[in-house]
Amino acid sequence: AQRVTQPEKLLSVFKGAPVELKCNYSYSGSPELFWYVQYSRQRLQLLLRHISRESIKGFTADLNKGETSFHLKKPFAQEEDSAMYYCALSPYNQGGKLIFGQGTELSVKP
Amino acid sequence: DAGVIQSPRHEVTEMGQEVTLRCKPISGHNSLFWYRQTMMRGLELLIYFNNNVPIDDSGMPEDRFSAKMPNASFSTLKIQPSEPRDSAVYFCASRRTSGYGYTFGSGTRLTVV
Repeated sequence: AQRVTQPEKLLSVFKGAPVELKCNYSYSGSPELFWYVQYSRQRLQLLLRHISRESIKGFTADLNKGETSFHLKKPFAQEEDSAMYYCALSPYNQGGKLIFGQGTELSVKP
Repeated sequence: DAGVIQSPRHEVTEMGQEVTLRCKPISGHNSLFWYRQTMMRGLELLIYFNNNVPIDDSGMPEDRFSAKMPNASFSTLKIQPSEPRDSAVYFCASRRTSGYGYTFGSGTRLTVV
């Protein structure tokens, strides 16, 4: 089965604290994984793609095939990071469709 | 580029009425996706098109839902008749088939009363 699981619906941290948003996936092949972010009342935007191994807005994510995880991390959270974060998987050769996790709401308190 | 354009932004309708949601993808993008977002189920793929052809509509919940893409610059998602449980935010997204990142529209918030 192709599935993405984000176990936390809400994650609340204080400004400056480290953040880790968890994502686990179920997929038999080599996955293509993404993180999308949705700020309040805005459209979803691509944050990270695992292949590019880049850091955007201080966020990084490493694919761990052994643990089938793709957790999103940031060492020092900022208030402007407050948003909904979605982990997504794109199955191979299925037209580019994305399977999303349920999302995690990150709240960064001052 | 104005991005993916969806209309209307908000729609309130009575149960039983027909609802039509519209999407204009980014020019040059040949894949188009319709998603539904609810608190209970998160983001669900309803249907997607490649080069205007429906490829996978297995996510369309019922026969009450239908989607068309008559040309490369326009797609509609229709619900007839609408029911309260259809209330959700409906997103359209597009991408180049050879690309990887979607561009999402701002969504249509549908409320069926």
